[in-house]
Amino acid sequence: ETGVTQTPRHLVMGMTNKKSLKCEQHLGHNAMYWYKQSAKKPLELMFVYNFKEQTENNSVPSRFSPECPNSSHLFLHLHTLQPEDSALYLCASSQDRPTNPEAFFGQGTRLTVV
Amino acid sequence: GDSVTQMEGPVTLSEEACLTINCTYTATGYPSLFWYVQYPGEGLQLLLKATKADDKGSNKGFEATYRKETTSFHLEKGSVQVSDSAVYFCALVTDSWGKFQFGAGTQVVVTP
Repeated sequence: ETGVTQTPRHLVMGMTNKKSLKCEQHLGHNAMYWYKQSAKKPLELMFVYNFKEQTENNSVPSRFSPECPNSSHLFLHLHTLQPEDSALYLCASSQDRPTNPEAFFGQGTRLTVV
Repeated sequence: GDSVTQMEGPVTLSEEACLTINCTYTATGYPSLFWYVQYPGEGLQLLLKATKADDKGSNKGFEATYRKETTSFHLEKGSVQVSDSAVYFCALVTDSWGKFQFGAGTQVVVTP
């Protein structure tokens, strides 16, 4: 149990579908992140939220829409995705503490776009 | 900008062999350094960390020392097990609000 929970673990969706990924953290952290992990590619930071405010959007296509209603929950809304969007999507959280700056990750959602 | 470079894999070892994965970094300011491990089908788990120069992080027989003079944070284990087979990521953070930089990952395969 890492303290960061992602649902669903696996998702298969068509290119015209709309779906959402959910992330929840019980660690009292103030920052939350979405990462994309594709085969043979480095981890890609997609979005960063600090105190519910989006502070980073790494040129992510608009078919990915994040939502952070509070410091414990983070969503990634998906619509009209492409097959190349198939990947493992990882959520993480962290806290601004000099002695404990590490991020904690969820187990990820394996997304397949067909 | 900040970046992390780690050795490419896969690294294939026999059980009880010694493991070293090299990691070097470039960063402005004073980064904290991490090693994460990812088992198949799982997310990243923090393996160890060091938050200032000369600190040694250790966990589960793995060690890494924060070397500011060589900007390195090499991961070592003296005797690996089959269960150590995974992908290992070196990472750093300098910003207060966690803009983490990850290396590309090194796959380690340990055979019986």
